[in-house]
Amino acid sequence: RKEVEQDPGPFNVPEGATVAFNCTYSNSASQSFFWYRQDCRKEPKLLMSVYSSGNEDGRFTAQLNRASQYISLLIRDSKLSDSATYLCVASDSWGKLQFGAGTQVVVTP
Amino acid sequence: GAVVSQHPSRVICKSGTSVKIECRSLDFQATTMFWYRQFPKQSLMLMATSNEGSKATYEQGVEKDKFLINHASLTLSTLTVTSAHPEDSSFYICSAWAPQTPQETQYFGPGTRLLVL
Repeated sequence: RKEVEQDPGPFNVPEGATVAFNCTYSNSASQSFFWYRQDCRKEPKLLMSVYSSGNEDGRFTAQLNRASQYISLLIRDSKLSDSATYLCVASDSWGKLQFGAGTQVVVTP
Repeated sequence: GAVVSQHPSRVICKSGTSVKIECRSLDFQATTMFWYRQFPKQSLMLMATSNEGSKATYEQGVEKDKFLINHASLTLSTLTVTSAHPEDSSFYICSAWAPQTPQETQYFGPGTRLLVL
């Protein structure tokens, strides 16, 4: 079983709409959680960290549910430039990152 | 933010040759660098953790004699794929972490696409 599992999508989203997706992690000892964004044939870039209390960065809202071991990301007012693959990441106490395979989001005009 | 470079960005080689990939932190000292591999439509898989001045720590299933890692300075780590075969064709990405940055902020290099014919 993969340590971090995500729905691969694609999620086809009309421009301006809201899209939400989540991932689950299997290692209950995971310490930190993040969402990274990866564009086609590029390296991942940190989008935001995820906290139990929930956190927001502009149009992006992330939430962590430790009891159920899932992490969510919500994107409001989707832009064409939001089209990418979103990687769910869990970090252990040593800083080692476990990546999910990614959820593809396609924002259409 | 911090900048990490990789060279080359892409390489095509014949089966049996060795390929060296360089990862450099350009504006900070990286005591720890990580090497990942990503196959199409799959997640990044950590291959090894490279610490400056010591031997790399390899993940289970990664052959240390095939993927040679050297972290000779605080700004440079190299990955050498020895006797490359077509199944080694992949996207190799390094990341760097330094104590003076938040631990969760691993800065990724732009990646190296390796194609072995």
